[in-house]
Amino acid sequence: GDSVTQMEGPVTLSEEAFLTINCTYTATGYPSLFWYVQYPGEGLQLLLKATKADDKGSNKGFEATYRKETTSFHLEKGSVQVSDSAVYFCALSRNAGNNRKLIWGLGTSLAVNP
Amino acid sequence: DAGVTQSPTHLIKTRGQQVTLRCSPISGHKSVSWYQQVLGQGPQFIFQYYEKEERGRGNFPDRFSARQFPNYSSELNVNALLLGDSALYLCASSLIATGVYNEQFFGPGTRLTVL
Repeated sequence: GDSVTQMEGPVTLSEEAFLTINCTYTATGYPSLFWYVQYPGEGLQLLLKATKADDKGSNKGFEATYRKETTSFHLEKGSVQVSDSAVYFCALSRNAGNNRKLIWGLGTSLAVNP
Repeated sequence: DAGVTQSPTHLIKTRGQQVTLRCSPISGHKSVSWYQQVLGQGPQFIFQYYEKEERGRGNFPDRFSARQFPNYSSELNVNALLLGDSALYLCASSLIATGVYNEQFFGPGTRLTVL
């Protein structure tokens, strides 16, 4: 079945460091791919998305490119801030069928130190 | 505009009891999905409803049931609670149920603790 695998955390970085969180997926067809973020004490928020191969999603300085050949959707940010400390989830949704359930990775906790 | 709202925020129950969780979608959204998020894990899909009909069901036992009302709000019911049902229950709403992409907006969740 469909699945998402993302790198285990926690990830601890200093402010202004470069961030990469790896995400790979297994799915039939061509799913849509997402990164969600969960800040402490808050609900899930969509960070960025890509709906087809080679699309690049971007938001708030974060980027991820849909790589069909490597079935990956790695999250990157050039210079992290303390306010980026959160749990990041990679997810996919199949673009066929009767519903659009999201299939999630386990989440990667990021802590950014000043 | 109000986002997705869920009630109650927190709930404590004992094993064997029944619980009802409520969700109000964003105004204009007709689809509601429910997810269970156990501490330290990603959410797991439970149900999706669209126009009061079930559109999808995850791998959960029959103790879990849900419904959607004419105003598109939704309830999730869990019977015969087990300790393992302790989790954050998330509700997400979207405009429709299908399409190449249809963004799901999440509520803050209901934290259920089963003792």
